[in-house]
Amino acid sequence: KAGVTQTPRYLIKTRGQQVTLSCSPISGHRSVSWYQQTPGQGLQFLFEYFSETQRNKGNFPGRFSGRQFSNSRSEMNVSTLELGDSALYLCASSREGGSNQPQHFGDGTRLSIL
Amino acid sequence: GNSVTQMEGPVTLSEEAFLTINCTYTATGYPSLFWYVQYPGEGLQLLLKATKADDKGSNKGFEATYRKETTSFHLEKGSVQVSDSAVYFCALSVATSTASKLTFGTGTRLQVTL
Repeated sequence: KAGVTQTPRYLIKTRGQQVTLSCSPISGHRSVSWYQQTPGQGLQFLFEYFSETQRNKGNFPGRFSGRQFSNSRSEMNVSTLELGDSALYLCASSREGGSNQPQHFGDGTRLSIL
Repeated sequence: GNSVTQMEGPVTLSEEAFLTINCTYTATGYPSLFWYVQYPGEGLQLLLKATKADDKGSNKGFEATYRKETTSFHLEKGSVQVSDSAVYFCALSVATSTASKLTFGTGTRLQVTL
């Protein structure tokens, strides 16, 4: 069974640009969540999508947005990139969401802002 | 709000030593508790979980017991191996809705030497 797939694995951008990251969940999983991992702030929740609807959102500025398609694949977009957006962005999927369901993580996209 | 506190690392042990990584939590509802492990260059892998008080999660020789009275979920392993070297994250998710949101601790780096 294929795991969560994130593309690309690495990205280099400059300040002011925008970027789109992609996540394909495990087959049959309908909930997709995004997390940002940095050395200073650790792992922080960005948002969760379920059935193409944003169901939960963390404390990030509006520059961070996402969407989910009918096949459960999800994309995350960051506009007007800042140096502080350099991070590992992790996507996780679960079958239906919910607090007692484990989330399965991809290997992440490492975004570097120059 | 919800929060997770983990012991500071790195934790350095010799192979076959006993491991304990402390984790305590604060939650507004009734959380499910998780331990995730991250190997270099990879995403997070679910190690074990417990969804209610007194549950014991176990996997690959690792164990953790959900202690509601002490709000703790300490990770233990009787005999560590070099291959256990990684960063370990304690996390919780609260059953206030169907949404999935993990709150993570800061992570504890484990180094196992021969």
